[in-house]
Parts: sequence; structure tokens; C-alpha cells
Amino acid sequence: GAVVSQHPSWVICKSGTSVKIECRSLDFQATTMFWYRQFPKQSLMLMATSNEGSKATYEQGVEKDKFLINHASLTLSTLTVTSAHPEDSSFYICSARGPDSNTEAFFGQGTRLTVV
Amino acid sequence: QKEVEQDPGPLSVPEGAIVSLNCTYSNSAFQYFMWYRQYSRKGPELLMYTYSSGNKEDGRFTAQVDKSSKYISLFIRDSQPSDSATYLCATSVSGNQFYFGTGTSLTVIP
Repeated sequence: GAVVSQHPSWVICKSGTSVKIECRSLDFQATTMFWYRQFPKQSLMLMATSNEGSKATYEQGVEKDKFLINHASLTLSTLTVTSAHPEDSSFYICSARGPDSNTEAFFGQGTRLTVV
Repeated sequence: QKEVEQDPGPLSVPEGAIVSLNCTYSNSAFQYFMWYRQYSRKGPELLMYTYSSGNKEDGRFTAQVDKSSKYISLFIRDSQPSDSATYLCATSVSGNQFYFGTGTSLTVIP
């Protein structure tokens, strides 16, 4: 299957700082990227959907000023957690889908964020 | 009501057993049905997807969709210890948004 690379795989940051997570599609053009958050033993919670070149669509309850999403190219989307707080600690996962697929959204490896 | 309901388990089976994983969903408009496997601290990996009702087989894995009862299943034959993971079902109307179950934790005991 297609490869989606997410970086970093884990990060520890101080409260109040910002953290950027990158999601790259390595062998296909990702017209749509999804950002999820996953708590232990819980399902993926969709945070936002981004289409290349346009603003991200955020799910209800997700602060768009806190979770900045940029999808400037067909192979790269970034999620920046601004002014992170301990409650933002979680597992963040991106997935990417090409223009010709309705089903095959490929996932990155996930990023474990710990805010101390 | 959640869009997709999935028993979180945990489920523990001996090696070689047939495993049955199930989900129910509420929206009859869902047309795409996926199963993902997620190892600890890793992103989900797409195992199988089906469109509308019916069965799909891939090696030891069979995905089944019954739209009349809004029920989706994943069967694993001859289960192996390497199958130990969390299995997530997911549905979608058109591929623009995916709805995930909570995942079922499976352990295959050698």
C-alpha cells in the first residue's frame, strides 16, 4: 500500500510551547488529509479534514486557533499544537487519501505528544 | 447514538482459532466499510475494505457486510500470534469522512 510518513513519532514539550507535526505522502499525491486524535483504548477522533490548497474543516469542539493545520502541497500537511498544555497530551495520527480513492486512506505512524 | 459501535474486548484466543470481530452502525447511507489493524503505538493499517453488501476474502481474512442489519464482520482464520493487535472497523458514505469504532483488542496465544 501507499506510504504515509509522520514525524516526529514522539515529542515531549514544555507547557506553553508550540509543537509541529508533519505528515507526508511519499508515493502518491494526497489531495485530502485527515488529522485524528486518539486517547488510550479509545477510537480515533477526527479533528479536521484538509484539502490541498484550501483551509481545513474542523470538527465541532476542535479549536482551530489552537490546532493549526496547513496543507500547502499535495504531499505535505502539518499540524501545529500552539501553546500546548498537559491536556493536549495524546496520540495524534494523520491519514492521507489520493484523488481516485473513496476508501483507501493511509495512515501515518502517529505522534505521541507529551506536554509537561 | 454513536455512528459505529464496536465491542472493545479484550478478546483472547488460542493460536489457530477462527476469530470473529464485529461492528454495528446506525446510518444506512454508509456504503464503504473498512477494517484496520493497529499495533500498539502505531498508526492503523488498512486490512480490507468492501463496498455495499457482500463478502470479500484476502488470504486468512474475510470481511462481511450485511446492510439489512447494519452489521459488519471480520473473520480471521488460522489466527497467528502476529495477529495480536487492535482491530478497528470504519465506515464512510462517500470517502470524505470516516467513522471509526472504538477498536477490539485481540490477543492470539501461542
